Formats: sequence, structure tokens, C-alpha cells
Amino acid sequence: EIVLTQSPGTLSLSPGERASLSCRASQSIARHNLVWYQQRPGQSPRLLIYGASTRATGVPDRFSGSGSGTDFTLIISRLEPEDFAVYFCQHHGTSPPITSPPITFGQGTRLDIK
Amino acid sequence: QVQLVESGGGVVQPGRSLRLSCVASGFSITTYGVHWVRQAPGKGLEWVAMIYFDGSSKFYADSVKGRFTVSKDDSKNTVYLQMNSLRVEDTAMYYCAKDEDSLEYWGQGTQVTVSS
Repeated sequence: EIVLTQSPGTLSLSPGERASLSCRASQSIARHNLVWYQQRPGQSPRLLIYGASTRATGVPDRFSGSGSGTDFTLIISRLEPEDFAVYFCQHHGTSPPITSPPITFGQGTRLDIK
Repeated sequence: QVQLVESGGGVVQPGRSLRLSCVASGFSITTYGVHWVRQAPGKGLEWVAMIYFDGSSKFYADSVKGRFTVSKDDSKNTVYLQMNSLRVEDTAMYYCAKDEDSLEYWGQGTQVTVSS
């Protein structure tokens, strides 16, 4: 099973600052299988980044993803008030060869207003 | 547009059963697989189960294997999650999501509470 470890658990920053969120995999994974989601309180998760670095439709360009192998990063260049939320990385292994389990999530990083 | 609507949640005693439904619109479940993902109160996301677009393969998290069963009715464009032998630790918001190269589309979730 691919285990994803996110750090830090909580990040306290101010609007306008830059946020860097880490996602480390227990083994090397393909870039196209690494996904990032944002979840605001009381809402369903929202797709931000797929394929490690491709922004989903409608996602502002202040969000960027990078990384390869076991280390992946989500950067928010200038925090807006609506960006304070929880962020999850995910391994999406539903295409052959299918991993077991086909999907795993990191435990999440909470981005708080300082 | 793509939409998923879950229903069937509620409060149930430990050991009892519940069946969740996920009605999809804007796409066909004969073309795309569907996942169930849950989130316990204040916790992270936990993948639960997946059914392939053609129903040929089903996958389960170890935590629910042998107790939960995913199925679908193509004529109703609906996916189900039959949950048996429910435990207190199954208490969570249950979401269904469309499978592609990510989970771009999610439902709003249905709350399941297992309590005596």
C-alpha cells in the first residue's frame, strides 16, 4: 500500500504570504497519479491539481504543484482569505496497473490564518 | 453538468445495516467508475470502495472488506453501498465521486452515525 505523509499538519500564515505544503510517498509513484484537493469547512473536497502539476478547471494560477518520485509539493504563492482550508494529497491508482488499494489519501494539512 | 447525489444515511445501532445510494447525472456509470470515500468527524478522507464502469471489478478498503458491498443499477445510473455489521467507527460523512484521472466530481455527502 502506498502511504502518503503530509507536512506540516498545520500551517499558520497571513494573507499575502506564500504557503508550501509537502506530500511524501512511501514509495516512488508516477507523477500522473498524484492529486491535490482543497476542502473548506462543511464542503466536499474540491479538485485543485492533478498529474502532480496540472491545475483543474477554474483553479487560480496562484496554486501550483510540483515534484516527482516520492516528494511532491503544493505551493500557494499569495494567500487569499478563501485559501484557508484543509489540503489533501492523493494517490490515484485506478488505471492499470491498479494499485491496492486504488486510492490513498494523505492525512491533510490545515492552513490557518495567523 | 455532472452531478452526484447521495442519500440513505441516518442513525443506526451497531451491528445493523444501511444502504447508501449515489445517483449520477451528466455522465453514465457504464462509462466511468464510481468511488465511495468517507470522512469521520474532524478527520481526514478515507477511501472506502470502488466499482468499475462495467461492474467487473470491485475494490474495498481493508477496514470494510467483508462488511460493505458496492453495486450498481445501470438503468437508474445509480451506485449503491450496502453496509452491514456497522460499527461505531463507521460513523462518517459518506461521499461518492466519479472516477477519472482524479476525483473531480463529488456529491455533497450523506451522514452515517452508528450509535447505541
